Amino acid sequence: DAGVIQSPRHEVTEMGQEVTLRCKPISGHDYLFWYRQTMMRGLELLIYFNNNVPIDDSGMPEDRFSAKMPNASFSTLKIQPSEPRDSAVYFCASAALGTEAFFGQGTRLTVV
Amino acid sequence: SQELEQSPQSLIVQEGKNLTINCTSSKTLYGLYWYKQKYGEGLIFLMMLQKGGEEKSHEKITAKLDEKKQQSSLHITASQPSHAGIYLCGADDPGYQKVTFGTGTKLQVIP
Repeated sequence: DAGVIQSPRHEVTEMGQEVTLRCKPISGHDYLFWYRQTMMRGLELLIYFNNNVPIDDSGMPEDRFSAKMPNASFSTLKIQPSEPRDSAVYFCASAALGTEAFFGQGTRLTVV
Repeated sequence: SQELEQSPQSLIVQEGKNLTINCTSSKTLYGLYWYKQKYGEGLIFLMMLQKGGEEKSHEKITAKLDEKKQQSSLHITASQPSHAGIYLCGADDPGYQKVTFGTGTKLQVIP
């Protein structure tokens, strides 16, 4: 397996624009996580899914953020409208029950 | 919610020296993970500890979970430049399949 695949690797957008981050988890993993990493706050869990169903979205900062998992092999994290304070590295990770999470390479988002 | 504090926040060591990174939890740890991150890359899983007093090793890296299951340490023996990066500890949220991470320790190894 190629591991967790995220796209794009880098995204630069203007404030107010919609941003969509994509993730393909490892086949067979039934948990998918979205994390955000910043210097100030470290690595924060935004939301996680089990069998494509959102289980805990308490980490999603505000209504501008939304995440979907339409099937077992694809998830998106959308920010609309984007703001400069959303600039961060966003990680997707997947895991099988009771095992460690495997992380993607991340998407570095810059909102100007 | 569980809070994890790592110390030190950053560390610079000479190649060949030993070092220890600590991870302290505000609550009992039911599953403790150690990951390593290189700049601009994702996290790489190192080890997972679950039982009080448990110790695991991989190459020159040893991780321990104390008997009370509230503190873990990561020890690197004879450090090499390849050990440089950010080390993060993460804790399982009991009953949920999610991990809360510590603040991270940035390690630099000088040749």
